[in-house]
Amino acid sequence: ILNVEQSPQSLHVQEGDSTNFTCSFPSSNFYALHWYRWETAKSPEALFVMTLNGDEKKKGRISATLNTKEGYSYLYIKGSQPEDSATYLCAFYNTDKLIFGTGTRLQVFP
Amino acid sequence: GAGVSQSPRYKVAKRGQDVALRCDPISGHVSLFWYQQALGQGPEFLTYFQNEAQLDKSGLPSDRFFAERPEGSVSTLKIQRTQQEDSAVYLCASSLGTGSYEQYFGPGTRLTVT
Repeated sequence: ILNVEQSPQSLHVQEGDSTNFTCSFPSSNFYALHWYRWETAKSPEALFVMTLNGDEKKKGRISATLNTKEGYSYLYIKGSQPEDSATYLCAFYNTDKLIFGTGTRLQVFP
Repeated sequence: GAGVSQSPRYKVAKRGQDVALRCDPISGHVSLFWYQQALGQGPEFLTYFQNEAQLDKSGLPSDRFFAERPEGSVSTLKIQRTQQEDSAVYLCASSLGTGSYEQYFGPGTRLTVT
């Protein structure tokens, strides 16, 4: 059974704080790892698709790293803003379908 | 351009009723996926189409769940004789096709079975 785990489950931070979350996934038969940002009542928004060991990707204040040999990825948010409040999901690509973690729910207080 | 759309956005059904959930993928996307997200869980794979062919339905939880995509575009997920445990958000995603890792999601349909 392929298992994707995310931690922490939830996080409350003050505006301006930097934060990071972890996603762990199977290290064998790796093709791609996805990060999505999901706000309530909206579509999950793709942040990053990561395919290569050692990949580092950045989008504004958000960045992600990937270690396929040990099976983990980190997502970092620098200087959190209230609009960053959302659930952050990681997903392991396996034979066309995505296997998701349970997500990290981030709340940023002004 | 238009993204993936789903309807209805919210559905309340009484236990035992049949429901039909619709997904309009991005135009030209060959692959279409359905996922189910129960409260407190991550989305879980239900089924996958490539054009009109249903290639994988291993995630459908019971024979009360049925999906179709007859013309290779719009898809419908049907749940017969709904049960309380069917209450969840049903997400649809589409992608360009085999070899494309990116999946684009709709906003989901929140189904509540009372």
